[in-house]
Amino acid sequence: DVKVTQSSRYLVKRTGEKVFLECVQDMDHENMFWYRQDPGLGLRLIYFSYDVKMKEKGDIPEGYSVSREKKERFSLILESASTNQTSMYLCASSQETQYFGPGTRLLVL
Amino acid sequence: GNSVTQMEGPVTLSEEAFLTINCTYTATGYPSLFWYVQYPGEGLQLLLKATKADDKGSNKGFEATYRKETTSFHLEKGSVQVSDSAVYFCALAYSSASKIIFGSGTRLSIRP
Repeated sequence: DVKVTQSSRYLVKRTGEKVFLECVQDMDHENMFWYRQDPGLGLRLIYFSYDVKMKEKGDIPEGYSVSREKKERFSLILESASTNQTSMYLCASSQETQYFGPGTRLLVL
Repeated sequence: GNSVTQMEGPVTLSEEAFLTINCTYTATGYPSLFWYVQYPGEGLQLLLKATKADDKGSNKGFEATYRKETTSFHLEKGSVQVSDSAVYFCALAYSSASKIIFGSGTRLSIRP
């Protein structure tokens, strides 16, 4: 079975802090994705990567950056967290079909 | 642009009832279509998929048929269980490297 893991299930940070969300997949997938999920807005794509050191902006990249130094790991970085970045963050990886991690629920105070 | 529209929830049914969650899409060409399910407190899981017209995806008693003529991919189950309570997302994508376009999700609650 494909396994996508995320470093934290719940995270509480303060406004202005730098936040790292880590995602690791164990199936040698080339493509990895970061989404955020908000009530009434569904899932929105933040960034995706189709190879090591490659990244593409999604629909809502503002306030975020990403890093992919190794194939299995895709990190989402909030350079200076703000309260409007309180959300559920979902990572996914794919070869033919996207598989999702369990999500990180981030609260920014 | 490409989009997915699914019926608004919440949908509440009694156990063993028949389930239909409607999904229609707008897209050019021939995308693949998916249903994902999200159980409380968890990430999304792929429920079923179909990659071309007239394909039927099925899993865990759920079915959906890719209907290009009506641009639909409705989810059905003949007899729902309490454990089916979750949020269901219809989605489309053109390839594994492209982003998935999700519907807004339909919350399903099953009464014992």
